[in-house]
Amino acid sequence: EPEVTQTPSHQVTQMGQEVILRCVPISNHLYFYWYRQILGQKVEFLVSFYNNEISEKSEIFDDQFSVERPDGSNFTLKIRSTKLEDSAMYFCASSANSGGAPVEQYFGPGTRLTVT
Amino acid sequence: TQLLEQSPQFLSIQEGENLTVYCNSSSVFSSLQWYRQEPGEGPVLLVTVVTGGEVKKLKRLTFQFGDARKDSSLHITAAQPGDTGLYLCAGDRGGSEKLVFGKGTKLTVNP
Repeated sequence: EPEVTQTPSHQVTQMGQEVILRCVPISNHLYFYWYRQILGQKVEFLVSFYNNEISEKSEIFDDQFSVERPDGSNFTLKIRSTKLEDSAMYFCASSANSGGAPVEQYFGPGTRLTVT
Repeated sequence: TQLLEQSPQFLSIQEGENLTVYCNSSSVFSSLQWYRQEPGEGPVLLVTVVTGGEVKKLKRLTFQFGDARKDSSLHITAAQPGDTGLYLCAGDRGGSEKLVFGKGTKLTVNP
């Protein structure tokens, strides 16, 4: 069964460093998302991406964050200068459709980011 | 801000019992999804409900979407230890691609 994959599973970085989290969405999906989940809190939307551009972003997704689809299979989230409060599980998701159809998003296993 | 409130937050029951967990909001959603999440893993989609009053069954799990599309429930019949996990509801408002998640119900089924 097709699934979303994410690497690395765990990333430890020092405050102020840049990190890139990687995702391979399900191959025939066109819509891609990043969410995060701080320990013990809700899953929170960060950004959605379609047709090589950001289609929606939350207040969390400030100038320190960027997303990219560098090739036909990968989808990345970059945090330019990490802060302690960026420590969280980051989930990539993808969906086949949007705009009028039910938004069925399929999630990857997550990357646990620890900023020290 | 669209909030999805889930109750109860924690539920511990014995194998074989039935249970219902709830997902409520003051906002109308175009659809609601139920996910199950294991510790340290990503949410796994169980079902999507779209139409007000809709009922969907997945083996021993029954999902219902409220008539006004503001709430949903998940009923598990004859719970098994393998049902243990965090059950999340998530909704989309239509016209927006983001999912709004509840905080989840942590279910423990004791053998």
